[in-house]
Amino acid sequence: AQSVTQLDSHVSVSEGTPVLLRCNYSSSYSPSLFWYVQHPNKGLQLLLKYTSAATLVKGINGFEAEFKKSETSFHLTKPSAHMSDAAEYFCVVTRPNTGKLIFGQGTTLQVKP
Amino acid sequence: GAGVSQTPSNKVTEKGKYVELRCDPISGHTALYWYRQSLGQGPEFLIYFQGTGAADDSGLPNDRFFAVRPEGSVSTLKIQRTERGDSAVYLCASRGKGGSTDTQYFGPGTRLTVL
Repeated sequence: AQSVTQLDSHVSVSEGTPVLLRCNYSSSYSPSLFWYVQHPNKGLQLLLKYTSAATLVKGINGFEAEFKKSETSFHLTKPSAHMSDAAEYFCVVTRPNTGKLIFGQGTTLQVKP
Repeated sequence: GAGVSQTPSNKVTEKGKYVELRCDPISGHTALYWYRQSLGQGPEFLIYFQGTGAADDSGLPNDRFFAVRPEGSVSTLKIQRTERGDSAVYLCASRGKGGSTDTQYFGPGTRLTVL
């Protein structure tokens, strides 16, 4: 079975400082992992995905994530937070045959001026 | 081009009533998914269509929930005898032909409130 655990329900950073959102996964298959972002009253948007190619994945808006098999982690980072980054972030693993997405509980990112 | 659209955006109903939620996927996308997002939670899978057939309906919580996709495009999620616990945002996503790891594109959701 596959699952993801987002280690922080809420992260608060100051504008211009680094962002780290933590995610651990569990998968009996070689996993495909995603990060999605959800801004208030807007739809889910894909930030980036890992599908067994390069372990360091670059996404939109300056975000990146590193797949670490030894640590079963897929943490999301950004060097410098922007006010517009304030949103809910979901770490996601996919079931390989159907592609159904299994979401973590989400991390709320707050960016303070 | 047009993204995934869902109607209505909001639906308020009374306990025991029947509701239908509609999803229009991206044109040409053969895979369609329904998810449900309760307040403060991540979305949870309900059902997956490949073409016209439900390939995986393991996430439907009980037999009050049913979904169809008769022509392999638009899908309708149907909920009978609604309960207050059905209140949530219902999300639809579609995926192209790139395989199971291809990107799923989400609609804005339908917020269902059962009074």
